[in-house]
This record gives sequence, structure tokens and C-alpha cells, in this order.
Amino acid sequence: EAQVTQNPRYLITVTGKKLTVTCSQNMNHEYMSWYRQDPGLGLRQIYYSMNVEVTDKGDVPEGYKVSRKEKRNFPLILESPSPNQTSLYFCASRVRDLDTGELFFGEGSRLTVL
Amino acid sequence: AQSVTQLDSHVSVSEGTPVLLRCNYSSSYSPSLFWYVQHPNKGLQLLLKYTSAATLVKGINGFEAEFKKSETSFHLTKPSAHMSDAAEYFCVVSERGYQKVTFGTGTKLQVIP
Repeated sequence: EAQVTQNPRYLITVTGKKLTVTCSQNMNHEYMSWYRQDPGLGLRQIYYSMNVEVTDKGDVPEGYKVSRKEKRNFPLILESPSPNQTSLYFCASRVRDLDTGELFFGEGSRLTVL
Repeated sequence: AQSVTQLDSHVSVSEGTPVLLRCNYSSSYSPSLFWYVQHPNKGLQLLLKYTSAATLVKGINGFEAEFKKSETSFHLTKPSAHMSDAAEYFCVVSERGYQKVTFGTGTKLQVIP
């Protein structure tokens, strides 16, 4: 089954404790991206990656890091989480060509930073 | 630069009546436009997309949208609402060849029995 898998789905952590949210897709998609969803703000893009070792900032990259060492994986790293990073996070992937490819989303990861 | 505005944060309709969810966009170049739906505690699912072919786009579950360049709009419609349509809907824009994707703030659709 074609899918985007995120882990963990739910996480409560404390300020400053490094964490990683993993994202994996089994569709051989070149493009992967991370979003955060906050009430009234919709989804805002954090980072995206066009292919292995190619990443770029979205609209809200501050406080986040990403890496793309393998085509299927695109982890989101919070080096020193703060309460304003409490949010619902989505990973998505698609084929490279935007005109032909829809975004496939994971189920989301709800993060709470105390 | 690109942006998208969803004109209503909440829309309430009775079951069996038409649905209209409004979206206006801004784009310097030819845009690709999408509508996504998010059911409670779920990820997002593509409803339909416009990528410069026919201006009237048909999607899943009876939804359709019309691209109107002169009005910079891409409104989502459905002739008859069903209870299962209750969800949050997002309008999305991306400029052709530009990989950044911009989401609207969402419209929550309530369907009253």
C-alpha cells in the first residue's frame, strides 16, 4: 500500500530536549516536505527536499533542521524545542513534477513542548 | 510571490443543499491550484487540481472547482451536501515550476442533518 509514515504520532517533551520526527515514504517520490498546522493558520511549509541531499527552506524554517540522506526518508529535527513549536506536523511526498503529482500526506504527528 | 485567501473560516449548510467554499489566489506566474480535504484526526487528501488544462475541474465525491483567471478565484462547489462532507477544506497554490506550496487557512464545513 502506498503510504507516508510518520513517527511518533504523539509526543510530549520538555523545552530543550532534542527530538526527531521520522518520515518515510514507499512510493519512490523525489519530493518530500514538512508542514506544521496551527489553528487559524492552515498549513505552513517548514522545509522541502527535491531529492537526496537537496533541501530548501519553506516559510517557517526557524528552529528546525532536516536531512535527506536516502530517497525514502526525510526526518525533521528539533535541536532545542520550545513551547512555540507545539503543533501538529505533517510530512508529505510527491513525484518531482508538480503538474502531475499530488501531495500524499502522513497521518500527522502531534507534538507538545512543555 | 504567491498567496491564497479562503474567504470563509466556517461554512454551515443543510444536508442536500449546495456547497460553496471560496478561494482567491495571487500568483506572479501561471499557478497550479489544488483543493485538499482533512477529516478529523486525519491527514489531507486531494480533492481536485487545476494545472492549466480545462478550467472546470471535477474531483472526487462530486466536488468540482472552476479556475477563473480574471477573478483570480478557484471556488469549490458541490450540488448536494452529504453528512460525510463535514471536514476542513484547504485551497493550495503553487506557481508552475516553483516548488514551494502555499496553503490557505482552511474552511470548516459543517453539514446539518
